[in-house]
Amino acid sequence: AQTVTQSQPEMSVQEAETVTLSCTYDTSENNYYLFWYKQPPSRQMILVIRQEAYKQQNATENRFSVNFQKAAKSFSLKISDSQLGDTAMYFCAQRLGGSSNTGKLIFGQGTTLQVKP
Amino acid sequence: ETGVTQSPTHLIKTRGQQVTLRCSSQSGHNTVSWYQQALGQGPQFIFQYYREEENGRGNFPPRFSGLQFPNYSSELNVNALELDDSALYLCASSLPGQQADGYTFGSGTRLTVV
Repeated sequence: AQTVTQSQPEMSVQEAETVTLSCTYDTSENNYYLFWYKQPPSRQMILVIRQEAYKQQNATENRFSVNFQKAAKSFSLKISDSQLGDTAMYFCAQRLGGSSNTGKLIFGQGTTLQVKP
Repeated sequence: ETGVTQSPTHLIKTRGQQVTLRCSSQSGHNTVSWYQQALGQGPQFIFQYYREEENGRGNFPPRFSGLQFPNYSSELNVNALELDDSALYLCASSLPGQQADGYTFGSGTRLTVV
């Protein structure tokens, strides 16, 4: 069964500093995708970054990067040069690919990140 | 600007009533999914529709049902509402085959059952 675990319910970081959010997952499939979503108080779930499991290179999107450790089933998010607008709840999510794809995203419990001025 | 629009934004219903939530998908997205997000939790997959047919379902009872229309708008219907149905309901759309792209989410409908 697919599971996604985020072990940090809350984190805080000073503006301009770097913070890392942790995520571990479990699946018996080889074809899957991993995502980090951001949910600000506006409630809309916004895609931050994605990683295809078959790619060894870690994904990077501007200030956001991931550390994807497939063997350890770990998928952490690093936010560099944190900004006040990064304050939000962050969710790690997994989706199966190929013939196993039902469109189902499995989300973790979320990490609330507060960026302090 | 989000391409997925949900209505209403907030709703209060009484236990035992029925409710219909609506979603207008992003243009060209013919796959839509619905999620239930309890307060302080991650979203839980309810079901997915593709070309007006349900093609994936999470662990939700049959009183949760849906429809998708030819214009790719969709509805989530919940019968016999229970207090535990109080949650944020999110609609998300995607292009078929774009598995790596994740979904585009709406801002949700906050349902309160009293």
